[in-house]
Amino acid sequence: EAGVTQFPSHSVIEKGQTVTLRCDPISGHDNLYWYRRVMGKEIKFLLHFVKESKQDESGMPNNRFLAERTGGTYSTLKVQPAELEDSGVYFCASSQTGTRTDTQYFGPGTRLTVL
Amino acid sequence: AQSVTQLDSHVSVSEGTPVLLRCNYSSSYSPSLFWYVQHPNKGLQLLLKYTSAATLVKGINGFEAEFKKSETSFHLTKPSAHMSDAAEYFCVVSEWGADGLTFGKGTHLIIQP
Repeated sequence: EAGVTQFPSHSVIEKGQTVTLRCDPISGHDNLYWYRRVMGKEIKFLLHFVKESKQDESGMPNNRFLAERTGGTYSTLKVQPAELEDSGVYFCASSQTGTRTDTQYFGPGTRLTVL
Repeated sequence: AQSVTQLDSHVSVSEGTPVLLRCNYSSSYSPSLFWYVQHPNKGLQLLLKYTSAATLVKGINGFEAEFKKSETSFHLTKPSAHMSDAAEYFCVVSEWGADGLTFGKGTHLIIQP
């Protein structure tokens, strides 16, 4: 069974440009999460989808970030316009039930560099 | 609100010696606790999890962790380190009412030959 996949693996853009990250969860997982790790800091929760609905987006840093999950399958995270402080590794995870005991399975991450 | 403290940013051990990675947590309610590992250029992989069953939890690759409520700790151990254990390890907590996981800052495990 395929795990969580993310595309691209790396992205280098200039400040002010737009970038879209994609995440494909494990098939059948209704719950999809986005996390981010900026250099030197811990991995931080950004938001949680249940199917196509945003369950919790309390971790989204500001309105330059837009996450979507149309159709409840894959998800995209768009950053527009990108700023220097957006650089970091963006992880996606998925889980079956979304409960606190459920395992979240992580993708390999997308490393975003904003110059 | 929950938080996680990984007491060491780097731990260096010799191959074949025991490993101890320390983690303390703060949580309002009964948490679930996890250890994840990230090898270079790989995704995060679950090592083990505690979900209020047995306090001693066994994971993959010979790792185990013990939940100690009185000490609010969830330290990760392995009796004998292998070179392949070199990676970054994350202690993670999940709590009632919180959608996302809360991560510690990570511990880099270095294995000396």
